[in-house]
Amino acid sequence: DAMVIQNPRYQVTQFGKPVTLSCSQTLNHNVMYWYQQKSSQAPKLLFHYYDKDFNNEADTPDNFQSRRPNTSFCFLDIRSPGLGDAAMYLCATRSGVHQPQHFGDGTRLSIL
Amino acid sequence: GIQVEQSPPDLILQEGANSTLRCNFSDSVNNLQWFHQNPWGQLINLFYIPSGTKQNGRLSATTVATERYSLLYISSSQTTDSGVYFCAVEGDSGYALNFGKGTSLLVTP
Repeated sequence: DAMVIQNPRYQVTQFGKPVTLSCSQTLNHNVMYWYQQKSSQAPKLLFHYYDKDFNNEADTPDNFQSRRPNTSFCFLDIRSPGLGDAAMYLCATRSGVHQPQHFGDGTRLSIL
Repeated sequence: GIQVEQSPPDLILQEGANSTLRCNFSDSVNNLQWFHQNPWGQLINLFYIPSGTKQNGRLSATTVATERYSLLYISSSQTTDSGVYFCAVEGDSGYALNFGKGTSLLVTP
């Protein structure tokens, strides 16, 4: 059974139209991550939560925000998507330091 | 941040061949993971291996932390092994994975 679930698998939105991607986990892990992976590139960290503590990477655009209402769920909000935001978005969790990260199947976002 | 270099960048194998993928990193690590990203974009965790040797079927991995490298061995390759293999590490003072650029593997029938 999938332990890190991302919905939807594919998302299409219009240029400038806000979009929300979701991630849920059944592992009860403290830490949750959002990565962005553009075509033919490696995943790049956007931000992460340690419990409710939010940590933003310095180069994450202001256009990207996140919410974690409880342990199980985490959301990625893109306020005004541009063409350059088309990418695979990967959610990951882990139980704590010195532990492996577990990834969801990703959401592939397209911008029209 | 910690630098991760993977080699080779691209690899083409005939089905049944063996291969070795390498990951070099620039500092001591407390987490090292190997992933396989399939053509559908799913990132599959192969090994969590900050040190030592592990085996899982046709795949095995070795990390020599003192010399700052890790190797992924694929034996008797199959077409389903095709995809991109990523090495990702986390430094002692880090909190998230730094990914290498990956090795793109194509296994032909």
